[in-house]
Amino acid sequence: GAVVSQHPSRVICKSGTSVKIECRSLDFQATTMFWYRQFPKQSLMLMATSNEGSKATYEQGVEKDKFLINHASLTLSTLTVTSAHPEDSSFYICSVGGGNTDTQYFGPGTRLTVL
Amino acid sequence: EDQVTQSPEALRLQEGESSSLNCSYTVSGLRGLFWYRQDPGKGPEFLFTLYSAGEEKEKERLKATLTKKESFLHITAPKPEDSATYLCAVAQDGNNRLAFGKGNQVVVIP
Repeated sequence: GAVVSQHPSRVICKSGTSVKIECRSLDFQATTMFWYRQFPKQSLMLMATSNEGSKATYEQGVEKDKFLINHASLTLSTLTVTSAHPEDSSFYICSVGGGNTDTQYFGPGTRLTVL
Repeated sequence: EDQVTQSPEALRLQEGESSSLNCSYTVSGLRGLFWYRQDPGKGPEFLFTLYSAGEEKEKERLKATLTKKESFLHITAPKPEDSATYLCAVAQDGNNRLAFGKGNQVVVIP
């Protein structure tokens, strides 16, 4: 399966600041990348789907102006949490998919803590 | 709306005590059902993809099966390293978005 990395693995920031999370597909040309959020003891919730070179598609209830997604190449997608607040504290995970596979392969996740 | 329900929510097993995890789903046209393993603080690790009723897949001590309404993940003679949360997800026909269940948290006691 595809190998996916995320950076940073953990970030702590002050309320009101913006945080950028990178998701890289290391060995697979990812036409599609997905961003999920996972709260403690909860399952993964899809936030948005991004296709290389086009605008992301956001799930209902996810603010596109707050969670900015850029998928400028087949190996890199970024999620920027703008003006972060404590309620944005969560585990953010990306996955890659597309091509001939229905399977999504996940990155190791980024733990965001907003103080 | 796709729905995925996993049971039991949590399970404690003695090492060697085989058991099964259940994933019930409702979806209009199943494109695929996926099982993942997630360790604390890490991203999900892919285990299996199942596409049609009657399909079975195996990997070491794990075996996944699929019917039209549910999937089972059988753990045979588990070891402590099988302790994890097992996630089930479905994708609908014509759609590559995954809907996840809440997971089965498994603890295997030596």
